[in-house]
Amino acid sequence: GAVVSQHPSRVICKSGTSVKIECRSLDFQATTMFWYRQFPKQSLMLMATSNEGSKATYEQGVEKDKFLINHASLTLSTLTVTSAHPEDSSFYICSARDQTNEQFFGPGTRLTVL
Amino acid sequence: AQRVTQPEKLLSVFKGAPVELKCNYSYSGSPELFWYVQYSRQRLQLLLRHISRESIKGFTADLNKGETSFHLKKPFAQEEDSAMYYCALKGRGGGNKLTFGTGTQLKVEL
Repeated sequence: GAVVSQHPSRVICKSGTSVKIECRSLDFQATTMFWYRQFPKQSLMLMATSNEGSKATYEQGVEKDKFLINHASLTLSTLTVTSAHPEDSSFYICSARDQTNEQFFGPGTRLTVL
Repeated sequence: AQRVTQPEKLLSVFKGAPVELKCNYSYSGSPELFWYVQYSRQRLQLLLRHISRESIKGFTADLNKGETSFHLKKPFAQEEDSAMYYCALKGRGGGNKLTFGTGTQLKVEL
């Protein structure tokens, strides 16, 4: 099946710094990627839909200036958490949709903000 | 608004026993329903979707529009079925967004 990678798998940063997370579709092109956030023992919450070549669509309550999304190519989307604070600590998961409309998920990135 | 409810956080069964993971949904339209599975230390992966009407790893799920349910069933649980199971709904249009339930941890004991 299709493979989606995320980098880094784990990141620790200081409060106030920015962190970039990459999501790549390794063997297929994805015009649409999705970014989710998962709190411990809770479900995946969709943050935004990333569309190649256009602006991301953010879910209600998600600050677009806080969580910058760039989908510059058909195989790469990035999520930048700007001016991170401890409450941004979470597990961030991306998925990429292939031409059959199926979503394939990345392994996730654990962000810890000190 | 679309919503998915999985009432059980944890379901523990013995090997060989039947399994039923409950999922109810709320959506004003005709949804697509999915079950995703996450094995320990692995990524989320698609288990099955209602439109395929297929059995994967012995699991089946039938969409019941009257009861707005999409319960996941398996007649005989295996130890390797132990995992986290998420029910998800995709509404028609709206960017094909997936809405996930809170998940049920299935533990199959020997």
